[in-house]
This record gives sequence, structure tokens and C-alpha cells, in this order.
Amino acid sequence: QKEVEQNSGPLSVPEGAIASLNCTYSDRGSQSFFWYRQYSGKSPELIMSIYSNGDKEDGRFTAQLNKASQYVSLLIRDSQPSDSATYLCAVPNTGANSKLTFGKGITLSVRP
Amino acid sequence: EPEVTQTPSHQVTQMGQEVILRCVPISNHLYFYWYRQILGQKVEFLVSFYNNEISEKSEIFDDQFSVERPDGSNFTLKIRSTKLEDSAMYFCASLTTKQGYEQYFGPGTRLTVT
Repeated sequence: QKEVEQNSGPLSVPEGAIASLNCTYSDRGSQSFFWYRQYSGKSPELIMSIYSNGDKEDGRFTAQLNKASQYVSLLIRDSQPSDSATYLCAVPNTGANSKLTFGKGITLSVRP
Repeated sequence: EPEVTQTPSHQVTQMGQEVILRCVPISNHLYFYWYRQILGQKVEFLVSFYNNEISEKSEIFDDQFSVERPDGSNFTLKIRSTKLEDSAMYFCASLTTKQGYEQYFGPGTRLTVT
């Protein structure tokens, strides 16, 4: 059973700051990694996917993957109060189309 | 932009009753999933469905649960005899193979068993 750990948090940052969210995973063979944002009472919303070592940028979001360290992170630049949510790291279990294993999430609060 | 839709948004039922949760996956997606999230806990996988059959299921998905794709659009989750511990948010997801195997989630159904 794959494990996805998100042990930091909750995280509080001032508006305009960089928020850094971390995730580690147990299976060295994992190839795909996803970050979902979940507002309270709502469903997970896919915000980033990453498949290769290094950085992937999309607007204010940057995902960073280090397969050797089994570590994936999400950076949110210029944090806004609307970024306040729980961020879930998810990894497919076996093949790319298999079930996702989720971490418990990191709750981010952006202070105006 | 196409979205996964789910009905109802909230279902209240008495223990022992049957419920059917409905989902319309994104058109042209071929893989479908049900997940649930008990309040304050992780999102957990229930079942995946491909080519009109279950491809994977979790330990939670016991004989009380079933899934069906009765037509070309709907994907349903049935709980035959609900228990108090079935109270949770139930999310349907569908996967595209065209953009890196990304799963997109519906808005969820909040199931409350009393």
C-alpha cells in the first residue's frame, strides 16, 4: 500500500508571501504526482500535475519533484486570501489510471 | 469546460435504507472512480470502473456497495443497506488519458445516515 505523507501544517502566511507545501511518498517507482486544492465542504480540484524531476510552473503555482528523495512540493507565489484551502498531494497506486492515494492535506491560511 | 456532475448534492437517509448516488463523468473519459471522505479525514478510494467492469476496489467496497453504468452517460454507486459509518462525502471522478492521466472530481454528494 502506497503512503503519501503531508506532515507539515497548518500553514499561515501573509498575503503576498510564498507558501511552500511539502509531500513525501513511499513508492520509489511512482511516476505521476498531483496537487489538488480543496475548499472546505467542496471537492478536490486539480491544480498541478508533475511527472518529471525538476520544476513545473503554472501561473503562481510551481510544483517541484525530486524522485531520488521521494519528495514533491508545491510553491504558491504572491499568496492571496482566496488561496486559503487544504492542499492534497495524490499519487496513483500502480498504473497511471489506477486509484489515487491521497495525503491528509495541508491547510493553508493566507492572512490579509 | 466539461465537468463531472453529481446528484443529489445532499442525501439524508435512515440506517438500513438503500441509496443510489449518481454521477455523469466527463464525456469521452473512459475510467471512472468513486472516492469518499469522512469529515476531517483523508480522501479514500472505493472503486474504479473501466470498460463496463470494476477494475479495482478497496476493502471498504464490500457486498453492500455496487456500481453500474446503466447507459452511456451515468455512473452510479449503490449502497444497499446504509450504516451510520457510511456518512461521508462521496466523490465521483473520471480520468482522461489525453493529458497525463489526470482525474477530475465532481462536486460530491454529502450522505447523512441517521
